[in-house]
Amino acid sequence: QVQLVESGGGLVKPGGSLRLSCEASGFTFSDYYMTWVRQAPGKGLEWVSYLSGGSSNIYYADSVKGRFTISRDNAKNSLYLQMSTLRAEDTAVYYCARLGRWRPGLFDYWGQGTLVTVSS
Amino acid sequence: EIVLAQSPATLSLSPGERATLSCRASQSVSSYLAWYQQKPGQAPRLLIYDASNRATGIPARFSGSGSGTDFTLTISSLEPEDFAVYYCHQRSNWPPGTFGQGTKLEIK
Repeated sequence: QVQLVESGGGLVKPGGSLRLSCEASGFTFSDYYMTWVRQAPGKGLEWVSYLSGGSSNIYYADSVKGRFTISRDNAKNSLYLQMSTLRAEDTAVYYCARLGRWRPGLFDYWGQGTLVTVSS
Repeated sequence: EIVLAQSPATLSLSPGERATLSCRASQSVSSYLAWYQQKPGQAPRLLIYDASNRATGIPARFSGSGSGTDFTLTISSLEPEDFAVYYCHQRSNWPPGTFGQGTKLEIK
Protein backbone atom coordinates (compact mmCIF):
# COMPACT_ATOMS: atom_id res chain seq x y z
CA GLN A 1 0.00 0.00 0.00
CA VAL A 2 1.06 3.58 -0.58
CA GLN A 3 2.90 5.07 2.39
CA LEU A 4 4.41 8.51 2.81
CA VAL A 5 6.36 9.31 5.96
CA GLU A 6 7.58 12.83 6.66
CA SER A 7 10.37 13.81 9.02
CA GLY A 8 12.59 16.75 9.83
CA GLY A 9 10.17 19.16 11.44
CA GLY A 10 10.97 21.06 14.61
CA LEU A 11 11.45 24.44 16.24
CA VAL A 12 13.53 26.98 14.36
CA LYS A 13 14.19 30.67 14.85
CA PRO A 14 13.00 33.29 12.37
CA GLY A 15 15.51 33.55 9.55
CA GLY A 16 16.66 29.99 10.11
CA SER A 17 16.62 26.93 7.88
CA LEU A 18 15.18 23.44 8.01
CA ARG A 19 15.07 20.46 5.68
CA LEU A 20 12.04 18.21 5.52
CA SER A 21 12.10 14.68 4.14
CA CYS A 22 9.38 12.35 2.91
CA GLU A 23 10.07 8.67 2.38
CA ALA A 24 7.73 6.89 -0.02
CA SER A 25 6.87 3.23 -0.42
CA GLY A 26 4.28 1.03 -2.05
CA PHE A 27 4.51 2.53 -5.55
CA THR A 28 7.02 3.35 -8.27
CA PHE A 29 8.19 6.67 -6.87
CA SER A 30 9.87 7.96 -10.02
CA ASP A 31 6.61 7.66 -12.00
CA TYR A 32 4.82 10.29 -9.94
CA TYR A 33 4.81 14.01 -9.42
CA MET A 34 5.11 14.81 -5.72
CA THR A 35 4.08 17.82 -3.74
CA TRP A 36 4.16 19.56 -0.37
CA VAL A 37 1.04 21.05 1.23
CA ARG A 38 0.99 22.88 4.55
CA GLN A 39 -1.56 23.71 7.20
CA ALA A 40 -1.06 26.45 9.76
CA PRO A 41 -2.44 25.65 13.23
CA GLY A 42 -6.23 25.73 13.15
CA LYS A 43 -6.25 26.88 9.52
CA GLY A 44 -6.96 25.44 6.10
CA LEU A 45 -4.73 23.79 3.53
CA GLU A 46 -2.19 25.63 1.38
CA TRP A 47 -0.27 24.11 -1.52
CA VAL A 48 3.47 24.85 -1.30
CA SER A 49 5.42 23.24 -4.14
CA TYR A 50 5.57 20.32 -6.57
CA LEU A 51 8.00 18.63 -8.87
CA SER A 52 7.82 16.06 -11.61
CA GLY A 53 9.16 12.53 -11.48
CA GLY A 54 12.37 13.46 -13.23
CA SER A 55 12.63 16.84 -11.45
CA SER A 56 12.34 18.76 -14.73
CA ASN A 57 9.13 20.57 -13.77
CA ILE A 58 9.11 22.48 -10.52
CA TYR A 59 6.64 25.03 -9.20
CA TYR A 60 6.29 27.03 -6.00
CA ALA A 61 3.54 29.00 -4.38
CA ASP A 62 4.28 32.73 -4.40
CA SER A 63 4.41 32.69 -0.60
CA VAL A 64 7.55 30.49 -0.58
CA LYS A 65 9.19 31.27 -3.92
CA GLY A 66 12.86 32.13 -3.51
CA ARG A 67 13.00 30.72 0.03
CA PHE A 68 12.03 27.04 -0.35
CA THR A 69 13.60 24.43 -2.62
CA ILE A 70 11.94 21.14 -3.49
CA SER A 71 13.95 18.15 -4.63
CA ARG A 72 13.84 14.39 -4.81
CA ASP A 73 16.11 11.36 -4.89
CA ASN A 74 14.41 8.59 -6.84
CA ALA A 75 17.07 6.07 -5.84
CA LYS A 76 16.08 6.63 -2.23
CA ASN A 77 12.34 7.05 -2.89
CA SER A 78 12.55 10.35 -1.08
CA LEU A 79 11.20 13.86 -1.45
CA TYR A 80 12.72 16.89 0.24
CA LEU A 81 11.86 20.48 1.07
CA GLN A 82 14.71 22.79 1.96
CA MET A 83 13.28 25.79 3.77
CA SER A 84 15.33 28.91 4.41
CA THR A 85 14.73 32.46 5.63
CA LEU A 86 11.87 31.06 7.67
CA ARG A 87 9.17 33.36 8.98
CA ALA A 88 6.59 33.00 11.74
CA GLU A 89 3.92 32.58 9.08
CA ASP A 90 5.67 29.43 7.84
CA THR A 91 4.64 27.69 11.05
CA ALA A 92 2.52 24.77 9.96
CA VAL A 93 2.18 21.03 9.58
CA TYR A 94 3.83 20.13 6.31
CA TYR A 95 2.34 17.24 4.38
CA CYS A 96 3.97 15.32 1.60
CA ALA A 97 1.45 14.12 -0.99
CA ARG A 98 1.48 12.14 -4.18
CA LEU A 99 -0.13 13.68 -7.26
CA GLY A 100 -2.42 11.58 -9.42
CA ARG A 101 -0.46 10.14 -12.34
CA TRP A 102 -2.99 11.10 -15.01
CA ARG A 103 -4.69 13.87 -13.05
CA PRO A 104 -2.42 16.86 -12.51
CA GLY A 105 -3.15 18.59 -9.25
CA LEU A 106 -5.02 15.73 -7.60
CA PHE A 107 -3.53 14.83 -4.21
CA ASP A 108 -4.34 11.13 -4.05
CA TYR A 109 -2.23 10.02 -1.06
CA TRP A 110 -0.92 12.02 1.89
CA GLY A 111 1.62 11.48 4.62
CA GLN A 112 0.86 12.16 8.28
CA GLY A 113 2.73 15.43 8.30
CA THR A 114 5.59 17.02 10.23
CA LEU A 115 5.24 20.15 12.34
CA VAL A 116 7.45 23.15 11.71
CA THR A 117 7.39 25.91 14.31
CA VAL A 118 9.14 29.19 13.59
CA SER A 119 9.56 31.15 16.78
CA SER A 120 12.22 32.99 18.74
CA GLU B 1 -7.24 33.55 -8.74
CA ILE B 2 -10.13 31.12 -8.44
CA VAL B 3 -11.80 31.33 -5.04
CA LEU B 4 -13.74 28.41 -3.58
CA ALA B 5 -16.42 29.24 -1.02
CA GLN B 6 -17.66 26.37 1.12
CA SER B 7 -20.93 26.43 3.00
CA PRO B 8 -21.95 26.12 5.67
CA ALA B 9 -18.87 26.75 7.78
CA THR B 10 -20.23 24.34 10.39
CA LEU B 11 -22.91 21.71 9.97
CA SER B 12 -24.43 20.05 13.04
CA LEU B 13 -26.18 16.76 12.38
CA SER B 14 -26.86 13.45 14.08
CA PRO B 15 -25.69 9.99 13.01
CA GLY B 16 -28.03 8.53 10.43
CA GLU B 17 -28.94 11.93 8.97
CA ARG B 18 -28.09 13.11 5.47
CA ALA B 19 -25.35 15.72 5.07
CA THR B 20 -25.13 18.13 2.15
CA LEU B 21 -21.99 20.27 1.81
CA SER B 22 -21.57 22.96 -0.81
CA CYS B 23 -18.56 24.34 -2.68
CA ARG B 24 -18.95 27.29 -5.04
CA ALA B 25 -16.22 28.50 -7.37
CA SER B 26 -15.73 32.13 -8.41
CA GLN B 27 -15.42 30.98 -12.04
CA SER B 28 -15.89 27.71 -13.85
CA VAL B 29 -13.55 24.88 -12.87
CA SER B 30 -15.23 22.40 -15.23
CA SER B 31 -15.31 19.09 -13.31
CA TYR B 32 -11.84 19.46 -11.80
CA LEU B 33 -13.14 19.49 -8.24
CA ALA B 34 -12.13 17.14 -5.43
CA TRP B 35 -13.28 16.64 -1.86
CA TYR B 36 -11.01 15.75 1.04
CA GLN B 37 -11.86 14.62 4.57
CA GLN B 38 -9.66 15.54 7.51
CA LYS B 39 -10.11 14.18 11.02
CA PRO B 40 -8.40 15.84 14.01
CA GLY B 41 -4.69 15.14 14.10
CA GLN B 42 -4.80 13.28 10.79
CA ALA B 43 -3.82 13.99 7.23
CA PRO B 44 -6.47 14.80 4.65
CA ARG B 45 -7.87 11.85 2.70
CA LEU B 46 -9.14 11.98 -0.86
CA LEU B 47 -12.87 11.17 -1.04
CA ILE B 48 -14.12 12.37 -4.42
CA TYR B 49 -12.25 13.45 -7.54
CA ASP B 50 -13.39 15.08 -10.78
CA ALA B 51 -16.62 16.12 -9.05
CA SER B 52 -18.31 12.74 -8.83
CA ASN B 53 -15.82 9.87 -8.73
CA ARG B 54 -15.22 8.09 -5.45
CA ALA B 55 -11.60 7.42 -4.60
CA THR B 56 -10.36 3.93 -3.85
CA GLY B 57 -11.91 2.47 -0.70
CA ILE B 58 -14.40 5.28 -0.11
CA PRO B 59 -17.84 4.02 1.02
CA ALA B 60 -20.81 4.41 -1.27
CA ARG B 61 -22.58 6.73 1.19
CA PHE B 62 -20.25 9.49 -0.06
CA SER B 63 -21.23 11.04 -3.39
CA GLY B 64 -20.29 14.15 -5.28
CA SER B 65 -22.10 16.14 -7.91
CA GLY B 66 -21.90 19.36 -9.87
CA SER B 67 -19.90 21.03 -12.61
CA GLY B 68 -18.82 24.51 -13.56
CA THR B 69 -19.16 26.58 -10.40
CA ASP B 70 -21.49 24.68 -8.07
CA PHE B 71 -20.60 21.41 -6.38
CA THR B 72 -22.08 19.27 -3.65
CA LEU B 73 -20.76 16.53 -1.41
CA THR B 74 -23.51 14.34 0.00
CA ILE B 75 -23.19 11.80 2.79
CA SER B 76 -26.36 9.76 2.60
CA SER B 77 -26.47 8.47 6.18
CA LEU B 78 -23.88 9.74 8.63
CA GLU B 79 -21.72 7.29 10.51
CA PRO B 80 -19.88 8.35 13.70
CA GLU B 81 -16.55 8.30 11.85
CA ASP B 82 -17.79 10.83 9.27
CA PHE B 83 -17.65 13.79 11.64
CA ALA B 84 -14.65 15.74 10.41
CA VAL B 85 -13.65 18.75 8.35
CA TYR B 86 -14.25 18.59 4.61
CA TYR B 87 -12.30 20.60 2.05
CA CYS B 88 -12.96 21.08 -1.62
CA HIS B 89 -10.08 21.70 -4.04
CA GLN B 90 -10.03 22.77 -7.66
CA ARG B 91 -7.24 21.93 -10.07
CA SER B 92 -8.51 23.62 -13.24
CA ASN B 93 -5.69 26.17 -13.09
CA TRP B 94 -3.07 23.83 -11.61
CA PRO B 95 -0.65 24.95 -10.47
CA PRO B 96 -1.58 26.44 -8.09
CA GLY B 97 -5.18 25.30 -7.78
CA THR B 98 -7.06 26.39 -4.66
CA PHE B 99 -8.63 24.92 -1.57
CA GLY B 100 -11.89 25.97 0.02
CA GLN B 101 -11.80 27.11 3.63
CA GLY B 102 -13.47 23.92 4.88
CA THR B 103 -16.77 22.80 6.39
CA LYS B 104 -16.74 21.32 9.85
CA LEU B 105 -19.27 18.52 10.22
CA GLU B 106 -20.01 18.09 13.91
CA ILE B 107 -22.23 15.86 15.96
CA LYS B 108 -25.47 17.50 17.05
